[in-house]
Amino acid sequence: DIQMTQSPSSLSASVGDRVTITCQASQDISNYLNWYQQKPGKAPKLLIYDASTLETGVPSRFSGSGSGTDFSFTISSLQPEDFATYYCQQYDTLPPLTFGPGTKVDIK
Amino acid sequence: QVQLVESGGGVVQPGRSLRLSCAASGFTFSSYGMHWVRQAPGKGLEWAAVISYDGSDKFYTDSVKGRFTISRDNSKNMLYLQMNSLRAEDSAVYYCAKDRRNHLFRGALNYYGMDVWGQGTTVTVSS
Repeated sequence: DIQMTQSPSSLSASVGDRVTITCQASQDISNYLNWYQQKPGKAPKLLIYDASTLETGVPSRFSGSGSGTDFSFTISSLQPEDFATYYCQQYDTLPPLTFGPGTKVDIK
Repeated sequence: QVQLVESGGGVVQPGRSLRLSCAASGFTFSSYGMHWVRQAPGKGLEWAAVISYDGSDKFYTDSVKGRFTISRDNSKNMLYLQMNSLRAEDSAVYYCAKDRRNHLFRGALNYYGMDVWGQGTTVTVSS
């Protein structure tokens, strides 16, 4: 199984801050990586696919990069509605299709 | 608009069975692979199972293999998850989700993760 790790597990930030989350795969997954946002009590929402492609309708302050085993996700200027938990997910190999443990972004 | 609506969750005793349903609308259901993803209380996301667009391929995570069965009825735009021999650790919110690519996409992979999710249905396994 491909293991996904994320760091940090949580962070506190202020509106307007630049926030970066990293995700690492246990083996090469090319660019087969999605990023999701989940707010409490809600279903996850796809933000980025293929490691760096913004899903339709997602604000441009969100971006992703990386390939192989190391990836990053950035919010260029944190907005109040961005406080949530973010998950990376690999789809290079299944079963299983694996998620990272999540990064909770909350208000400083 | 594209919509997925799960149902069938509830409280069930360990060892018993439950069947979840997911009603799809707003897209050509028969063209997409479909997933079940679960989330235990306060925990992260765990992929459980996927079924191909025509039901010919099914894959499971190890912890549910042999106990859960994913199926679909393309004539009714419905996805199902039959859960048998339930355990306390199966307690979670269960989401159905649509795969991001339809079966006509000529890519290197068969499945590309999830782009549309239902609102979830809660399963509690407890005596």
